[in-house]
Amino acid sequence: GEDVEQSLFLSVREGDSSVINCTYTDSSSTYLYWYKQEPGAGLQLLTYIFSNMDMKQDQRLTVLLNKKDKHLSLRIADTQTGDSAIYFCAEVYEGTYKYIFGTGTRLKVLA
Amino acid sequence: NAGVTQTPKFQVLKTGQSMTLQCAQDMNHNSMYWYRQDPGMGLRLIYYSASEGTTDKGEVPNGYNVSRLNKREFSLRLESAAPSQTSVYFCASTQGGFNQPQHFGDGTRLSIL
Repeated sequence: GEDVEQSLFLSVREGDSSVINCTYTDSSSTYLYWYKQEPGAGLQLLTYIFSNMDMKQDQRLTVLLNKKDKHLSLRIADTQTGDSAIYFCAEVYEGTYKYIFGTGTRLKVLA
Repeated sequence: NAGVTQTPKFQVLKTGQSMTLQCAQDMNHNSMYWYRQDPGMGLRLIYYSASEGTTDKGEVPNGYNVSRLNKREFSLRLESAAPSQTSVYFCASTQGGFNQPQHFGDGTRLSIL
């Protein structure tokens, strides 16, 4: 079935790395997106990866994709207090218009 | 550079009242979406419009109707509001195609008493 799962909470200290995990439904051709939601705001695109890739790096962000385990992760290096937010992963299959979102992970960065 | 604009930002209704949430995008996107966000449940798709002139049900369409007025605008209507529809509603748009990310509005916070 269509299901994208995330843990609900993560707490890290400022300056440490954060790793936010997501499991997704298997597909041979899919895009996987990471969004950030700050309080009172909409979702903002952070990065994305196509299912034929293993890794993508964009400044402090690293996305890792383990196709065998259907596992996606977002690593934030040198986490700052401004990174405190809810992070959503989302999956969309080729040939569809529906984006399937996870429940979101609330990241709290402690000073 | 407005992107996706939702109105109103906040609204309080009484049970049984009707209301239309407005959404407009200025990016010439083909596809538009309505989601609701509830604590611990992520985003759930209510309705979407793959292109102008088409609309389709999502995961939780009951109690809602939509209109794709033109390419820019996609409205969501609650005909008879119920407390279970208290939520934050987000509109999103995308150029179309699974390799295009969605762009979101800032949401409408709706409370039904």
